[in-house]
Amino acid sequence: GAGVSQSPSNKVTEKGKDVELRCDPISGHTALYWYRQSLGQGLEFLIYFQGNSAPDKSGLPSDRFSAERTGGSVSTLTIQRTQQEDSAVYLCASSSRDGSYEQYFGPGTRLTVT
Amino acid sequence: ELKVEQNPLFLSMQEGKNYTIYCNYSTTSDRLYWYRQDPGKSLESLFVLLSNGAVKQEGRLMASLDTKARLSTLHITAAVHDLSATYFCAVDGGATNKLIFGTGTLLAVQP
Repeated sequence: GAGVSQSPSNKVTEKGKDVELRCDPISGHTALYWYRQSLGQGLEFLIYFQGNSAPDKSGLPSDRFSAERTGGSVSTLTIQRTQQEDSAVYLCASSSRDGSYEQYFGPGTRLTVT
Repeated sequence: ELKVEQNPLFLSMQEGKNYTIYCNYSTTSDRLYWYRQDPGKSLESLFVLLSNGAVKQEGRLMASLDTKARLSTLHITAAVHDLSATYFCAVDGGATNKLIFGTGTLLAVQP
C-alpha cells in the first residue's frame, strides 16, 4: 500500500514568511509524528498526534511552530515568521501503535529560509 | 531526560571487513530501532528490537539489544559498497513512543 507522503518536497521561503507543510500518513495509522533534521541539531522530535487525544507538543522549538491533524488523518505543520534557523528537513512518520510501534517515515520536506 | 549516544560518528571501512556500531542510551527503554538513511533520502527501517537479548539479522547486518546495559549494537559483516549510508539508532522515548535519535554513523565502504 501507499506509504507516508509529504508535500511540498522542497520549499524556499523568505525570512519572515509563513509556511505550511503537509503530511498524509499511512491509512489506518492512528499515531502521527513530526521530526526535524538539521545539521546542527540532528534528528529531533517536534509533535505527536494520537487519535482524538491532546497532542504532545513538547518538542516544538518556539510558539512560531504549530500543527494540527484534521479528521485523524492529514496533518499540517505551520511555521510562522520563518527564521534562517528553521531551515531543515521536516520529516513526518506514522505508526499503528500495535506491537512494535514501528514508525514509517515520509520522504520529508526540505525547507530553506533565505 | 533520555539521551542516546552513538559511536563512531564516521566509519570508513574496506570491503570485506567487519565492524560494529554502538548505541548507548541513558534511561530504561524496551524498544530500540535502527534506521538507514541514504543521501537526500528519508529514513528506512532496518530493525525493531523489542526485548532484552533480542537479536535480528538481515543480510550482512545484525542488531542486538541489551536493555540491562542500555546498549545496542549494529554489526556489519564483510562490508560491501552498497552498505554505505548513515545509520541511526533510535530509542522509544516513553508514553507517546516518540523516538530519541542518536547522532548517526556515516559509513563509507571503500572498494
